Amino acid sequence: QVQLVESGGGVVQPGGSLRLSCAASGFTFSSYGMHWVRQAPGKGLEWVAFIRYDGSNKYYADSVKGRFTISRDNSKNTLYLQMNSLRAEDTAVYYCAKETLDYWGQGTLVTVSS
Amino acid sequence: DIQMTQSPSTLSASVGDRVTITCRASQSISSWLAWYQQKPGKAPKLLIYKASSLESGVPSRFSGSGSGTEFTLTISSLQPDDFATYYCQQYNSYGWTFGQGTKVEIK
Repeated sequence: QVQLVESGGGVVQPGGSLRLSCAASGFTFSSYGMHWVRQAPGKGLEWVAFIRYDGSNKYYADSVKGRFTISRDNSKNTLYLQMNSLRAEDTAVYYCAKETLDYWGQGTLVTVSS
Repeated sequence: DIQMTQSPSTLSASVGDRVTITCRASQSISSWLAWYQQKPGKAPKLLIYKASSLESGVPSRFSGSGSGTEFTLTISSLQPDDFATYYCQQYNSYGWTFGQGTKVEIK
């Protein structure tokens, strides 16, 4: 069965960096694009970034463009989100999701606070 | 960017009620719309894709309709397990966007 497991969340100071990982199993990871979606506490869902199956194209929300980088290692079945210049408003649960958003991980909490 | 607007933001209903949630896109998205259900502390669950296609395993009391800029999610007979928050989401263009959510509460 499809499994997506995020890790790497935690508490970081404003201006700091963090890298999230999403370990995928149960499907041919290298054949599917992948998303990151986030949800601030008590708020709605916000799409963050998408990467095509082969990493050839990447797309970002305006709110994170230039600060976040999505990448993948198909040999390790793992998706990444490198987050730099973090702000308080980046505090959220971050989910990875398969291309058609039919499968989601359980999420990892990122808290940006001094 | 395409904006998605859901209404209402909150809906109070009773078990057995027919419930309808509306989602409007700021420009035409053809039928590239999905609906999700989310319960507290859980990841969203895909209910409907391509505006009206029921995801495998989702009860048939859920249905979706619409195209262009106006879409609806209908629950034909609300069940206790259906009290949750519902989101629409467009995938017409790179730059996926969600509606702000509709919370379905117990009346």
